[in-house]
Amino acid sequence: DGGITQSPKYLFRKEGQNVTLSCEQNLNHDAMYWYRQDPGQGLRLIYYSQIVNDFQKGDIAEGYSVSREKKESFPLTVTSAQKNPTAFYLCASRSVGDHYGYTFGSGTRLTVV
Amino acid sequence: GQQVMQIPQYQHVQEGEDFTTYCNSSTTLSNIQWYKQRPGGHPVFLIQLVKSGEVKKQKRLTFQFGEAKKNSSLHITATQTTDVGTYFCAGGTSYGKLTFGQGTILTVHP
Repeated sequence: DGGITQSPKYLFRKEGQNVTLSCEQNLNHDAMYWYRQDPGQGLRLIYYSQIVNDFQKGDIAEGYSVSREKKESFPLTVTSAQKNPTAFYLCASRSVGDHYGYTFGSGTRLTVV
Repeated sequence: GQQVMQIPQYQHVQEGEDFTTYCNSSTTLSNIQWYKQRPGGHPVFLIQLVKSGEVKKQKRLTFQFGEAKKNSSLHITATQTTDVGTYFCAGGTSYGKLTFGQGTILTVHP
């Protein structure tokens, strides 16, 4: 079955540490996205990538970094510069020109302790 | 930048009552998408509207796109307990970026 896999499901991090969230898709989708979800604020775009080796900042990119070395993979690093990293992180993908919307992964819940 | 506002933030209904959530964009959209997120889950794509004034139905769900392509609504007829969750609209621009509304959390009391 095709889909998006995010790992881990839950992640705990100490303040001052960087952490990388994994996102892998086998849908052959061109575009991939990272969103952050906080209660009452909907989904906010962190970074997105339309093609391999290229990515753009979203609305809240500060304190985050990404890479897109393979079509299937779009990992997100939450750096120590992110002031409030505790949140639910969602990865999504879609095929450029696709009229069927985004396919989301099941998310990673990051807690800073 | 583009903003998408969604109201109400919360809606509590008795099973069998109707439910509507509204979405308004600060700019003209190329399309609008709707998603449903069950409690503890991830957003799942429901539908996309592209044409001005477009109306689409999925069983008890009716989706509308405004004539000016700046607003949209989702109406659920005779809600069921399986309808609980958060409903998001997302406005799309011509260059492919989606901006999500804050979502409406629907609770259905049996």
